[in-house]
Amino acid sequence: SSELTQPPSVSVSPGQTARITCFGDALPNQYGYWYQQKPGQAPVMVIYKDSQRPSGIPERFSGSSSGTTVTLTISGVQAEDEADYYCQSADSSATYAVFGGGTKLTVL
Amino acid sequence: QVQLQESGPGLVKPSETLSLTCGVSGLYISSGYYWGWIRQTPGKGLEWIASIDHTGSSYYSPSLKSRVTISVDTSKNQFSLNLRSVTAADTAVYYCAKNTITVGHWYFDLWGRGTLVTVSS
Repeated sequence: SSELTQPPSVSVSPGQTARITCFGDALPNQYGYWYQQKPGQAPVMVIYKDSQRPSGIPERFSGSSSGTTVTLTISGVQAEDEADYYCQSADSSATYAVFGGGTKLTVL
Repeated sequence: QVQLQESGPGLVKPSETLSLTCGVSGLYISSGYYWGWIRQTPGKGLEWIASIDHTGSSYYSPSLKSRVTISVDTSKNQFSLNLRSVTAADTAVYYCAKNTITVGHWYFDLWGRGTLVTVSS
């Protein structure tokens, strides 16, 4: 299977660390990517190649990978980080793209 | 500054064909990237539909492949999506995106604002 599985929701208080995991069988062979989507807006890439941060993305966003899991970590969460987060990768043969179901991050 | 803009009808009747176009500005569509379509049904997650490069090399979602055609027009710097035999389940916000596909890499680093397409009689 080339599906990606994320928790539906994560809640943290401001200033705490949020971790969102994404599991997929193809992740050992394909890089993982993370997108942030706020209501009414298009997704924005926040992590690429498992752990790289695009220019303009705050340093509090980081990513890591271990085997079949990629993790998005947001350190010192701020209210503005409240959004839906999607992981994305491809199947093992790189013939189609796949998105995780999304995780709603709530800042308490 | 690279920008993508979706255009097309906001309302399509059931069983008809949904047709959308994505205009690219600030970057030639023949510049070596792929260009993709992704949709998001109301209140749900993201679903990749198809991707194409300027040569016409294309990839399709296995679940939609039988109903989808993606095409590119380099003279107009745009690419298009046709989704046939639509039903209410195809009601979604449709995004176009700049897409990189290489060995081990498949990602969408720039998105259009999206366009809502409703399937209804």
